[in-house]
Amino acid sequence: ETGVTQSPTHLIKTRGQQVTLRCSSQSGHNTVSWYQQALGQGPQFIFQYYREEENGRGNFPPRFSGLQFPNYSSELNVNALELDDSALYLCASSSLAKNIQYFGAGTRLSVL
Amino acid sequence: DAKTTQPNSMESNEEEPVHLPCNHSTISGTDYIHWYRQLPSQGPEYVIHGLTSNVNNRMASLAIAEDRKSSTLILHRATLRDAAVYYCILRDKQAGTALIFGKGTTLSVSS
Repeated sequence: ETGVTQSPTHLIKTRGQQVTLRCSSQSGHNTVSWYQQALGQGPQFIFQYYREEENGRGNFPPRFSGLQFPNYSSELNVNALELDDSALYLCASSSLAKNIQYFGAGTRLSVL
Repeated sequence: DAKTTQPNSMESNEEEPVHLPCNHSTISGTDYIHWYRQLPSQGPEYVIHGLTSNVNNRMASLAIAEDRKSSTLILHRATLRDAAVYYCILRDKQAGTALIFGKGTTLSVSS
């Protein structure tokens, strides 16, 4: 059974650019959640996808968007990057049958 | 989700038990108590969860107060690998809801 994998591990962008982060969910999991973790803070919920549909969203602007594919992998897209978007972005997969989320190691995004 | 309160930091020595407290005075009857931990440079990992009764697994034990307004995560013998940020989170029994993280407790373990 493979775990949750995220790519890339590190990324450097400049303000105003767009970025796409990718996540492969754990085998058998149909739900993917994305979180943003600023330095020294706990992760903050961005949104969740279940069977390719957005199924909940946190307090993030529309320039944060996502996709989930038929194989349940997922992408997080951020447009018009701002300096404050610099953070660790975490993906977690789960199945509705078990109320536990399994996290990847994250993508560290730096916006200059 | 209801709010939890945890100490900012705690210290322990290796091979000693560690009791990590969490207060959740506004917990509702359908809220499960979940614990996750985050080791340095890693994503959070699930530790344990429970509703009313105390729970044990290979990683830890969870002791839940009778009124459910507080709980304690117990690591029976701390190791250096247990140094992490520990998050206490309340989740409605409805599966699939997001995790609402606070700042957690940073546990330091000394040899």
